[in-house]
Amino acid sequence: GAGVSQSPSNKVTEKGKDVELRCDPISGHTALYWYRQSLGQGLEFLIYFQGNSAPDKSGLPSDRFSAERTGGSVSTLTIQRTQQEDSAVYLCASSLRGTSGASTDTQYFGPGTRLTVL
Amino acid sequence: QKEVEQNSGPLSVPEGAIASLNCTYSDRGSQSFFWYRQYSGKSPELIMSIYSNGDKEDGRFTAQLNKASQYVSLLIRDSQPSDSATYLCAVTGGDTGFQKLVFGTGTRLLVSP
Repeated sequence: GAGVSQSPSNKVTEKGKDVELRCDPISGHTALYWYRQSLGQGLEFLIYFQGNSAPDKSGLPSDRFSAERTGGSVSTLTIQRTQQEDSAVYLCASSLRGTSGASTDTQYFGPGTRLTVL
Repeated sequence: QKEVEQNSGPLSVPEGAIASLNCTYSDRGSQSFFWYRQYSGKSPELIMSIYSNGDKEDGRFTAQLNKASQYVSLLIRDSQPSDSATYLCAVTGGDTGFQKLVFGTGTRLLVSP
């Protein structure tokens, strides 16, 4: 089946504008994750969804960042009043079950959205 | 101290050689360990996972875990130019919980023909 898809693939915006990034997980995957990868940095966790709820949003860097997931499927990451330091590749991943006790499912990554804030 | 540390490289090896990639982690409670490969401009792709001390082999890849020393390594035998990529080490468990992967910054591997 199809893998994780993300849109847009590239987004250029001006400082202060709001942006929405979309993620379509693999069909049937209950868990969804957002990460971001800045130049020269490792992947940084942002938020985790199990179904439509977000039990861990500890990685969101500020209240300008929010995310939602509807229908246990599509997720949207919104960044309000974008700043230049928000420029990064935003990666979405999904896994079949998420966490189960003391184990973690394999996470499959989408192609990412490259965000450039001018 | 970073939670997951990797040498950024580049690690250069000739074709056919063994490439050895290392990773150390700070959270002694970490339980699950993963190696992802990321080609330039592409998304990470899982190549190995390991959960218990010792070695785990899959084709040309061997992951090694030593929880007492808090390190995990990846060996690539018979390296090919197509193995040239950035290799990301990731861990879960411990204080950070199991919901998220904590990544190192990656080691860039260059395999020359």
